[in-house]
Amino acid sequence: DAGVTQSPTHLIKTRGQQVTLRCSPKSGHDTVSWYQQALGQGPQFIFQYYEEEERQRGNFPDRFSGHQFPNYSSELNVNALLLGDSALYLCASSPDLAGAGEQYFGPGTRLTVT
Amino acid sequence: QQQVKQSPQSLIVQKGGISIINCAYENTAFDYFPWYQQFPGKGPALLIAIRPDVSEKKEGRFTISFNKSAKQFSLHIMDSQPGDSATYFCAASGGGGTSYGKLTFGQGTILTVHP
Repeated sequence: DAGVTQSPTHLIKTRGQQVTLRCSPKSGHDTVSWYQQALGQGPQFIFQYYEEEERQRGNFPDRFSGHQFPNYSSELNVNALLLGDSALYLCASSPDLAGAGEQYFGPGTRLTVT
Repeated sequence: QQQVKQSPQSLIVQKGGISIINCAYENTAFDYFPWYQQFPGKGPALLIAIRPDVSEKKEGRFTISFNKSAKQFSLHIMDSQPGDSATYFCAASGGGGTSYGKLTFGQGTILTVHP
């Protein structure tokens, strides 16, 4: 049983560019959440998707957007990249919206903005 | 009201010792409290979690103690091993409805277990 997978593993972008990160949830999970983890910090909640809709959003600007597909996989898009967007981006999946506290994380995508 | 404060920032214990990490929260609507373990270059892995209807939960060498009135919870690692060396995060969520999906994390504790 595959766990949460994310791609790519690492990414280097230039300020002002746009980036798309991808996530496949754990088998049987239909809720996907995205987190940003700066170096030496705890993960910060970006948003959560369920039934292809954004259900919750953290304190992140509109430059951060997402999508969930019918197969429950998800994308995180970041526009107009800033140096401060450099971080580990984590995707987490959970069995359903009601049990969404029990989240399983993927290995993350390390984004470096230069 | 959404903060979770974690201490200590770093912890060094000898092999076989007990590691204790503490967290405090403010939002009384929180009702799910997981602990995650993270190794360098990896995503956080769910270790153990507790809900406020019990004061303690034990799984193997890991125990969560929960004090609802003090709004505090802690992770105890018994017989600590060098392989336990990692960063540990407490987290909290709750408040009803879709709020369960938003985990609020502590700042993390870097645990080093010396052989």
